[in-house]
Amino acid sequence: QVPLQESGPRLVKPSQTLSLTCTVSGGSISSGGYYWSWIRQPPGKGLEWIGFIYNTGTTYYNPSLKRRVTISLDTSKNQFSLNLNSVTAADTAVYYCARAPGGDIPQGGFDHWGQGTLVTVSS
Amino acid sequence: DIVMTQSPDSLAVSLGERATISCKSSQSVLFNSNNKNYLAWYQQKPGQPPKLLISWASTRESGVPDRYSGSGSGTDFTLTISSLQAEDVAVYYCQQYYNTPRTFGQGTKVEIK
Repeated sequence: QVPLQESGPRLVKPSQTLSLTCTVSGGSISSGGYYWSWIRQPPGKGLEWIGFIYNTGTTYYNPSLKRRVTISLDTSKNQFSLNLNSVTAADTAVYYCARAPGGDIPQGGFDHWGQGTLVTVSS
Repeated sequence: DIVMTQSPDSLAVSLGERATISCKSSQSVLFNSNNKNYLAWYQQKPGQPPKLLISWASTRESGVPDRYSGSGSGTDFTLTISSLQAEDVAVYYCQQYYNTPRTFGQGTKVEIK
């Protein structure tokens, strides 16, 4: 098992930046072989992929969010992070961190997930 | 973006009966160079993250019961639960990993009749 755990503020004000961190246990994110991802799910709705990052720092983002999203790595803490700026109520969702296998390119389904954290955007 | 469309949106099946979920992609997710379909199926129970059941359209993940099977190629795929158990009540999603952005179907809710 590779436990992943999301952490960060549960309430963010409109127009501010949503920041979350995913801590990975049981394996080093710097060792390669996996893409580290963020996925979100608005309450009662389906899943939306936000983006992922490889140990080299290579990132892929959903074009629908690309202008507002940054995903980064902190290998010293075995963590990766999500920053989503200029949030609105439409960004209220459960945010999951997850892992997908891959090398030169990401391949495969998301085989490990965090439990998810509900972030609410409200004043 | 590749649009993933599942049908039905929900279905109710008697215990022990077969449940079948369809997933169609707006373009082929078959990679010709390796003849693999870049499609996954997930199960999500209330209050839990999705769980990967099947990769490559038909390869069950370790520990997934063999009553779950995936089939199909190109743009048309099926998830079958051969004999529905009470613990199979969940929402099921398909997802393509042929390209980015990764996209999911809208989900199919499976209930007991």
